[in-house]
Amino acid sequence: KQEVTQIPAALSVPEGENLVLNCSFTDSAIYNLQWFRQDPGKGLTSLLLIQSSQREQTSGRLNASLDKSSGRSTLYIAASQPGDSATYLCALTSGSRLTFGEGTQLTVNP
Amino acid sequence: NAGVTQTPKFQVLKTGQSMTLQCAQDMNHEYMSWYRQDPGMGLRLIHYSVGAGITDQGEVPNGYNVSRSTTEDFPLRLLSAAPSQTSVYFCASSRTDIGNTIYFGEGSWLTVV
Repeated sequence: KQEVTQIPAALSVPEGENLVLNCSFTDSAIYNLQWFRQDPGKGLTSLLLIQSSQREQTSGRLNASLDKSSGRSTLYIAASQPGDSATYLCALTSGSRLTFGEGTQLTVNP
Repeated sequence: NAGVTQTPKFQVLKTGQSMTLQCAQDMNHEYMSWYRQDPGMGLRLIHYSVGAGITDQGEVPNGYNVSRSTTEDFPLRLLSAAPSQTSVYFCASSRTDIGNTIYFGEGSWLTVV
């Protein structure tokens, strides 16, 4: 059974700092990995999708990497802003199922 | 540009009552799924569908029923509500079941008393 772990559970940083969120998984037989953002009281918004054959994806200030051999993915956020405050979740697709980590709650302080 | 629409947004049920959470998408997606999100448990898959007429169980299917008569709609039925079903429910869809971005609804907050 796929298990997904996100560390840390919460992170507080000052505005402007570069930061890295971590996601680890136990089964490397995945089709893809997605990073999501969830704002309080809202649904999830997909930020980046990395196919299993890819190593990284970039969108604006966000960069996600995937290392299947070590069972790890990272989400790098450059020059963080207060508007980046949210919970960030990673999720892996294998078969027809999406398995989520519990998320990292990020607070960016002005 | 509606995307994935869930109704109702909030609902309070008494133990033993039944109800249906509605989910509709207007993107002609084949894959639809239901998750519940609980503190300390993350999001867990309840049921999913890879196309009209095809459904399958996820990680926590007990107490829930689904059907997929059309591509657009994927309702989730609570057969006899229990306090353990108090949760936030999310519907999601994607073009196919693998290799595609997944879109989520805004969520349905359900309280069973």
